[in-house]
Amino acid sequence: QSVLTQPPSVSGAPGQRVTISCTGSSSNIGAGYDVHWYQQLPGTAPKLLIYGNSNRPSGVPDRFSGSKSDTSASLAITGLQAEDEADYYCQSYDTSLSAFYVFGTGTKVTVL
Amino acid sequence: EVQLVESGGGLVQPGGSLRLSCAASGFTFSSYEMNWVRQAPGKGLEWVSYISSSGSTIYYADSVKGRFTISRDYAKNSLYLQMNSLRVEDTAVYYCVRDLGNAFDIWGQGTMVTVSS
Repeated sequence: QSVLTQPPSVSGAPGQRVTISCTGSSSNIGAGYDVHWYQQLPGTAPKLLIYGNSNRPSGVPDRFSGSKSDTSASLAITGLQAEDEADYYCQSYDTSLSAFYVFGTGTKVTVL
Repeated sequence: EVQLVESGGGLVQPGGSLRLSCAASGFTFSSYEMNWVRQAPGKGLEWVSYISSSGSTIYYADSVKGRFTISRDYAKNSLYLQMNSLRVEDTAVYYCVRDLGNAFDIWGQGTMVTVSS
């Protein structure tokens, strides 16, 4: 049911920069709705990482940044650390009849 | 401390029913929209249902429409999900989630629902 497409996996060495894309359509991201990002560490509940396309909640390191353009969004992690190894999901609002909120397909980040 | 605690998960046969509960604490429950989100084993996140702060507006994912009912009790600061006609594909961890301007800022620990014969 996911209508936001993410790469299944990305990897990088400690200290490197990785980016995760989130591609939507004219009924969600392309319609101007905000994109939010979540981090899910193994065996835990997801945690809000970025809200409103590029804003970090209190306590989230500034190594994490978000951006949005047209029908897509991106999450960047700079200075990759071992504890960043997790699953990441984007999320937005959708105006289609089949969904209200939609999530991305998810991306596994592996620290080499 | 702002907290959401789910309960009510378990093993149920196909066609059966289950009611999930979510106890909210540490914030003014009546001021927030709420959602249920689920995650099947080894799979991604799927939004299930939304209820407005007043309870007057409700939405469901197509996959559960007509079978699940979301509700809230302001006196008990609780959110509920009544699940009927359960299917094997409803097997998942169900999360209670606070909605902050379309972003999900607070998540519960989740409760596991297994639908199997």
